[in-house]
Amino acid sequence: AQSVTQLDSQVPVFEEAPVELRCNYSSSVSVYLFWYVQYPNQGLQLLLKYLSGSTLVESINGFEAEFNKSQTSFHLRKPSVHISDTAEYFCAASGGYNKLIFGAGTRLAVHP
Amino acid sequence: DTGVSQDPRHKITKRGQNVTFRCDPISEHNRLYWYRQTLGQGPEFLTYFQNEAQLEKSRLLSDRFSAERPKGSFSTLEIQRTEQGDSAMYLCASSPSVGGSGNTIYFGEGSWLTVV
Repeated sequence: AQSVTQLDSQVPVFEEAPVELRCNYSSSVSVYLFWYVQYPNQGLQLLLKYLSGSTLVESINGFEAEFNKSQTSFHLRKPSVHISDTAEYFCAASGGYNKLIFGAGTRLAVHP
Repeated sequence: DTGVSQDPRHKITKRGQNVTFRCDPISEHNRLYWYRQTLGQGPEFLTYFQNEAQLEKSRLLSDRFSAERPKGSFSTLEIQRTEQGDSAMYLCASSPSVGGSGNTIYFGEGSWLTVV
């Protein structure tokens, strides 16, 4: 069975500093991986996804994630965060029927 | 291009009452999903429809929960005899079926349920 583990429940960081949100998955089969972002009192928005091909995927707002098959990881990074990046971030893996299995989430708090 | 729409956004109900949530997916999306999210947790899968057929139900979906998608368009999630443990955000999502498991799943803004 698939599972997704987000290693940090909260990550505090100062504005303009780099950040990494860690995600590990377990799966015995090929897997598609996603990062979603959730702002307060809102639903989830897709940030980026890995399906195949290049192991480094990027989003339009400066985030990137690297698929590492040997370490079964899909960590999310941003070289310089902004106050507006404060949100909850969820890593997810796609199972059968396109069903998503989510991690518990990482709360990113960006401080001025 | 309208997104996934959910109604109501917030519902407060007394324990034992029934509640119903509605979801309107993105048009032309064949697949529709319901998830539940409690505070401090990631969304948990509840059930999934391909058109009007309910193809999978999680064991989280007790007998008090029922979901329908009668014409393959909008869906309803009903909770009977609500309990305080049902308090959560109920998320609806949709995706196209072409393209398989790599398709992006689009989420609505959720329906918050508080059982008092």
